[in-house]
Formats: sequence, structure tokens, C-alpha cells
Amino acid sequence: DVKVTQSSRYLVKRTGEKVFLECVQDMDHENMFWYRQDPGLGLRLIYFSYDVKMKEKGDIPEGYSVSREKKERFSLILESASTNQTSMYLCASSLTSGRQEQYFGPGTRLTVT
Amino acid sequence: DAKTTQPNSMESNEEEPVHLPCNHSTISGTDYIHWYRQLPSQGPEYVIHGLTSNVNNRMASLAIAEDRKSSTLILHRATLRDAAVYYCILRGYNTNAGKSTFGDGTTLTVKP
Repeated sequence: DVKVTQSSRYLVKRTGEKVFLECVQDMDHENMFWYRQDPGLGLRLIYFSYDVKMKEKGDIPEGYSVSREKKERFSLILESASTNQTSMYLCASSLTSGRQEQYFGPGTRLTVT
Repeated sequence: DAKTTQPNSMESNEEEPVHLPCNHSTISGTDYIHWYRQLPSQGPEYVIHGLTSNVNNRMASLAIAEDRKSSTLILHRATLRDAAVYYCILRGYNTNAGKSTFGDGTTLTVKP
């Protein structure tokens, strides 16, 4: 059974803290993605990676960075968390082509106080 | 990037068929049409996808217009567990498949 796991379901951090969100997939997928989801705004792509150490900006990369040192792991980093980064964060993975579906993790609800 | 347009909400009665429409008038020849759904408090899950021909699987059917500018997700007999937000997105054939954009989706309400 395919699986995308995220390190935490719920996370509370303070403004200015450095935050790491981890995502692991066990399907040997090349592509991995980070989205955030806010009420009324749908899913918005932050970053995606199409190979180890490769990354591309999505629609809203400001305030975020990513790291992909191993194929199965994709980390989202908030260098200095702010309250407007309070959101649901979703990780996904897929094989290379759009012919293949994306698999999503359960999400991490991050609250920045 | 090609965008999709869906109605904000739809209602259905339990055990009746549901047709969820999606417009994608700027679709390119190599874009695949994907459908996902998101249940409350969960990540989106894959439903179905296709390129040109109609597709069926155990969850749903996908009907694609001949000009590919629109598609319809068909749930043959809606159940209460089908109440979710349904997203129609386009995914490119090549490595830029990651640029696929999710819209606001259609919130499906199923009435008993």
C-alpha cells in the first residue's frame, strides 16, 4: 500500500522560530510536493522537487525553503515562522509524468503564535 | 499554467448518480485531466484521471469532451461517504507535472 507520511499532525510554534516539516514516501517516486491549504484559497503549491537535490518554486515560495537530500524525504523549512504561515501543510509525491497520480500525506496543521 | 473552473458546490441524494463538471478551456494537448477528492480533516486522495478517452475505475467514471475543454466526474451511486471537496486539475506529461494548480474545487453534499 502506497504511503506518504508527515512528521506531525499538529504543531504549535512561536513567531520567529525555525520550523521543519518532514515528509517521507515509500514508493520510490521522483516528484515530491509541498502545498498549503487555507480556507477559501484551496491548495497552493509552495515548492516541488523532481529529483534529489533538485527543486523548483511553486506559486507561493516566499518565506519557505526546502531540502531533498534523499529520494524518499522532502523537508519544508520555515526559517523564521510568522503568524501568516499558520495553515494546513500537505505533502505529496508522484512518479515523473502527469500520467501518474499524486499521493498525499495526511497533512500537518501548523499554528504560529 | 492551464486552469480549471468548477462550481463551488453541488448537492445530491444518496444512491443517486452525481455528475461533477469541470471546464478547462486552455488545456494543452499533453495535459492529463486528474480528479482528486478531500474528505474532512484528510489529505486529498486520487479518484481518476484520463487523457482523451472516457475512463472507468472502481470509484468513478470520467467523461471527457471530444474537444477536451471540459470533463465530468460521474459517481454512479452517491453515498454519504462521498461527501467531500472534489478537485479537477491538469497535470502535464513531462517533469513540469508538478506545476499543476488546484482550484477551489466543488463541495459535494450528499443528503440521506
